[in-house]
Amino acid sequence: GENVEQHPSTLSVQEGDSAVIKCTYSDSASNYFPWYKQELGKRPQLIIDIRSNVGEKKDQRIAVTLNKTAKHFSLHITETQPEDSAVYFCAAKGGGNKLTFGTGTQLKVEL
Amino acid sequence: DSGVTQTPKHLITATGQRVTLRCSPRSGDLSVYWYQQSLDQGLQFLIQYYNGEERAKGNILERFSAQQFPDLHSELNLSSLELGDSALYFCASSVEVGANTGELFFGEGSRLTVL
Repeated sequence: GENVEQHPSTLSVQEGDSAVIKCTYSDSASNYFPWYKQELGKRPQLIIDIRSNVGEKKDQRIAVTLNKTAKHFSLHITETQPEDSAVYFCAAKGGGNKLTFGTGTQLKVEL
Repeated sequence: DSGVTQTPKHLITATGQRVTLRCSPRSGDLSVYWYQQSLDQGLQFLIQYYNGEERAKGNILERFSAQQFPDLHSELNLSSLELGDSALYFCASSVEVGANTGELFFGEGSRLTVL
């Protein structure tokens, strides 16, 4: 089955800096790669997603890149703000139709 | 508000007991997913239903079972509960268009504590 690895597990940045979270996946048939943000005590919410026919997607301060050959995708957050502090999960939908999540990255944006 | 409703929000029970968690998906969503999130852990996929039929299965224990009813609500049954089953159980729903997965909308979760 699909295996999604996510790094780093924790990330601390200064406000205004950029943050990058990386994920790798194992199933070459995977075709959908969403990123979810989960604030403390809250439900996960989609922040951006990318499909396998696209290499990069951007939405304001958030961007995702996908390298299908290397089977990895990354989340880039620019000009980080305190409200970006949360746990971020990557996910991949493999050939078995399951959406498999990574283990999460705790992002802390310090003032 | 995601439009996905989960009940109960909190549940405390003893080892060996059985509980049922309920989920109502967003209006119009045919697909329902169940995930388990243990303390400081990621989201472990349990099972997915689409329009009443099981569509995908993750590492769901044999002690756990689920179903989706004709009105599209879903129930997750957890039996012979163990301490390690204590977790936050999320239900999510989505619109599936052919083979394309849409955004998953998560409920607020049901926090299960097994004592």
